[in-house]
Amino acid sequence: GAGVSQSPRYKVAKRGQDVALRCDPISGHVSLFWYQQALGQGPEFLTYFQNEAQLDKSGLPSDRFFAERPEGSVSTLKIQRTQQEDSAVYLCASSLALAGEDSPLHFGNGTRLTVT
Amino acid sequence: GDSVTQMEGPVTLSEEAFLTINCTYTATGYPSLFWYVQYPGEGLQLLLKATKADDKGSNKGFEATYRKETTSFHLEKGSVQVSDSAVYFCALSDRGATGYSTLTFGKGTMLLVSP
Repeated sequence: GAGVSQSPRYKVAKRGQDVALRCDPISGHVSLFWYQQALGQGPEFLTYFQNEAQLDKSGLPSDRFFAERPEGSVSTLKIQRTQQEDSAVYLCASSLALAGEDSPLHFGNGTRLTVT
Repeated sequence: GDSVTQMEGPVTLSEEAFLTINCTYTATGYPSLFWYVQYPGEGLQLLLKATKADDKGSNKGFEATYRKETTSFHLEKGSVQVSDSAVYFCALSDRGATGYSTLTFGKGTMLLVSP
């Protein structure tokens, strides 16, 4: 069956450009997470959606980062005025149940963003 | 806040060697503990988990025991294969006061197994 799909797989942006990263979760999955993984580091939490509601955005590093999931399925992570420190792999993950319930988290392959 | 510390890599082993990757954690509540694996070019996959003290998670020959007294969740395998070469991440999930929880990951440990 289809897993979590992220696009694009790679994105190169010039400093100052805006980017939009897309996540297609597994159909029917309630929970959706975005994580940021810098080179040589573990993934770090950015934001969490329960259906269309963004319940936690405490991990977003600045107000240049914005995420949405308007219909409770596809999600977009937008980064405005990209900076070099935004270079990382952005991971999306979805889960059938609510966060904290015993339901496995399915990760996409990520979008590797390079800001030049 | 919550944190996970795991041994730095790369860990380089010959096929059939014994593997240990150390992981310790800090959490305010009673977390669930996980090991995720990332094979080259692939996404993170759940390898095993344990939800309470003294639980042992196991999968594909890998094991880890939730040790509350030492706040540890070390990953072990008795005989590694070349196909086990990957990056391994220790993680915790702590529900806290919000009623939901997110994963906190360690930095990852790369395992390289040679024939």
